[in-house]
Amino acid sequence: DIQMTQSPSSLSASVGDRVTITCRASQGISNSLAWYQQKPGKAPKLLLYAASRLESGVPSRFSGSGSGTDYTLTISSLQPEDFATYYCQQYYSTPSLTFGGGTKVEIK
Amino acid sequence: QVQLVQSGAEVKKPGASVKVSCKASGYTFTSYYMHWVRQAPGQGLEWMGIINPSGGSTSYAQKFQGRVTMTRDTSTSTVYMELSSLRSEDTAVYYCARAKSSYGMDVWGQGTTVTVSS
Repeated sequence: DIQMTQSPSSLSASVGDRVTITCRASQGISNSLAWYQQKPGKAPKLLLYAASRLESGVPSRFSGSGSGTDYTLTISSLQPEDFATYYCQQYYSTPSLTFGGGTKVEIK
Repeated sequence: QVQLVQSGAEVKKPGASVKVSCKASGYTFTSYYMHWVRQAPGQGLEWMGIINPSGGSTSYAQKFQGRVTMTRDTSTSTVYMELSSLRSEDTAVYYCARAKSSYGMDVWGQGTTVTVSS
């Protein structure tokens, strides 16, 4: 199985900050990566897929990049509604999928 | 609008089985695969498996092989996930989620809480 490791597991940031979350795969996944946002008590929401393609309706302050085994999610200017937990997920080995452990973004 | 509506919360005893339903609306049911994902309290997301609503074929995570069964009813646009031999570690919120082609999951159900307790 492909393992996905996210870092950091949590971070504190202020409104307006630039935030970067990293996801590392245990083997190359050829940009087969999605990012999700989850707020407490809610289902996850798809933000990006194919490592950098923004899902419809997602604000442009969210962006993704990377290649091979290393990928990043960047929030260019953190907004109050962005405080949540973020997960990466690989689909290179589809139909078998794996998620990263999550990164909780908290208010500083 | 595209929507997935799941069945209500369940409380089960260890060793029992649970069957969770997920009713799709607002799109062609047989055109999109459906995933099942679970989340234990305070933990991350765990992929359980996927079903093709068109032909009924399935693929399960190795961890759940032999304990999980995913089925569908095309007449009601509903998929089901049954998990057997429940143990306390199966206490979690279970989600169905529509597959966005092979790219991930673009529509999610509201989640079904399953509690396993004696």
